[in-house]
Amino acid sequence: KAGVTQTPRYLIKTRGQQVTLSCSPISGHRSVSWYQQTPGQGLQFLFEYFSETQRNKGNFPGRFSGRQFSNSRSEMNVSTLELGDSALYLCASSFLGAGRPYEQYFGPGTRLTVT
Amino acid sequence: GQQLNQSPQSMFIQEGEDVSMNCTSSSIFNTWLWYKQDPGEGPVLLIALYKAGELTSNGRLTAQFGITRKDSFLNISASIPSDVGIYFCAGRWDTNAGKSTFGDGTTLTVKP
Repeated sequence: KAGVTQTPRYLIKTRGQQVTLSCSPISGHRSVSWYQQTPGQGLQFLFEYFSETQRNKGNFPGRFSGRQFSNSRSEMNVSTLELGDSALYLCASSFLGAGRPYEQYFGPGTRLTVT
Repeated sequence: GQQLNQSPQSMFIQEGEDVSMNCTSSSIFNTWLWYKQDPGEGPVLLIALYKAGELTSNGRLTAQFGITRKDSFLNISASIPSDVGIYFCAGRWDTNAGKSTFGDGTTLTVKP
């Protein structure tokens, strides 16, 4: 079974631009979560989507948004990029169902550099 | 908000030695997770713990869910060079939700 895939793997953007990152979960997984990883703040939860609805949200400004499509694929968008948005953005998927533990499987991440 | 203190921050050990790391929280969690992350990759789930007091093994790895639900530890026995990496603990309040709080990681270096 293919793992979580994220595209692109690397991205360089200029301050003020916007960016869209994509995540394809493991087949059959309907929950997708996004995390930001930086050396200073570590791994921080951004948001979680399930069945195209946002279920949980972390403490990030409104410039960070996401969505999930009917095939469970998810995108996250960051508008008006700031230098501090440079980070590894990780997507994690999980099967959500009765009797199954909620275990997250991470993708390789998208390395975003803002200059 | 919830915070996790993970220690030690880094470890330098000889191949064959045992390793122990732990996480403590200011709040209780209902799920504890341990991940390993290699450079350029996402974290890989090693062990998931769902009950206070639970002790679970995965090969040479053993992890325990603390009785108070505010701590967890991970032991690695007979370390090998491929154990090198960053180990993260994570806690979840809602067992069936994707919001996990992560520790800052323990960087493990194994000298052959």
